Amino acid sequence: AQSVTQLGSHVSVSEGALVLLRCNYSSSVPPYLFWYVQYPNQGLQLLLKYTSAATLVKGINGFEAEFKKSETSFHLTKPSAHMSDAAEYFCAVSGNFGNEKLTFGTGTRLTIIP
Amino acid sequence: ETGVTQSPTHLIKTRGQQVTLRCSSQSGHNTVSWYQQALGQGPQFIFQYYREEENGRGNFPPRFSGLQFPNYSSELNVNALELDDSALYLCASSLSTDTQYFGPGTRLTVL
Repeated sequence: AQSVTQLGSHVSVSEGALVLLRCNYSSSVPPYLFWYVQYPNQGLQLLLKYTSAATLVKGINGFEAEFKKSETSFHLTKPSAHMSDAAEYFCAVSGNFGNEKLTFGTGTRLTIIP
Repeated sequence: ETGVTQSPTHLIKTRGQQVTLRCSSQSGHNTVSWYQQALGQGPQFIFQYYREEENGRGNFPPRFSGLQFPNYSSELNVNALELDDSALYLCASSLSTDTQYFGPGTRLTVL
């Protein structure tokens, strides 16, 4: 069984400040981990994914995430927030066969303060 | 743009009716997964189709059914609609063991 916990349903940061969105996972097998972003009234866009290669994963739009097995975490960061980063962010886990079902967290809404 | 398209964009139905949602997968992708996203929640896995066969199912009742066609497009059918079926329905396509790419979704409202 797999699950994801996203700490903080709402996060607000000032424009130019560090973005940190937290995700902890539980998995009985080595996991694949994903971050998706959802803009209002749209589908999900893949930001980045961890598939057991490098533990520090770089994604689109300046985002990156680090897989920490000892902490069962996969937190998402961006050094400097931009107004266009305002959206809902979802962390997801799957088994390590890649195309298995995704189990999502409840999401974190990111607000950028001008 | 992922190349995954869904129709219709929005749909309003009444309780007890039946609905069919459609998904065209990205060119070359042979797997389609369907998810339900209730308001304020993360997406929940409904089922997956691989080469026209169901390849896994989430905790949804049998009135949720699907099909995948030879061109790998897919349909999600929901019978006997209930108010709680109101949600955004997302389709994701992928190639066997690769990453899932999502379409824009269909917003279903059940009155």
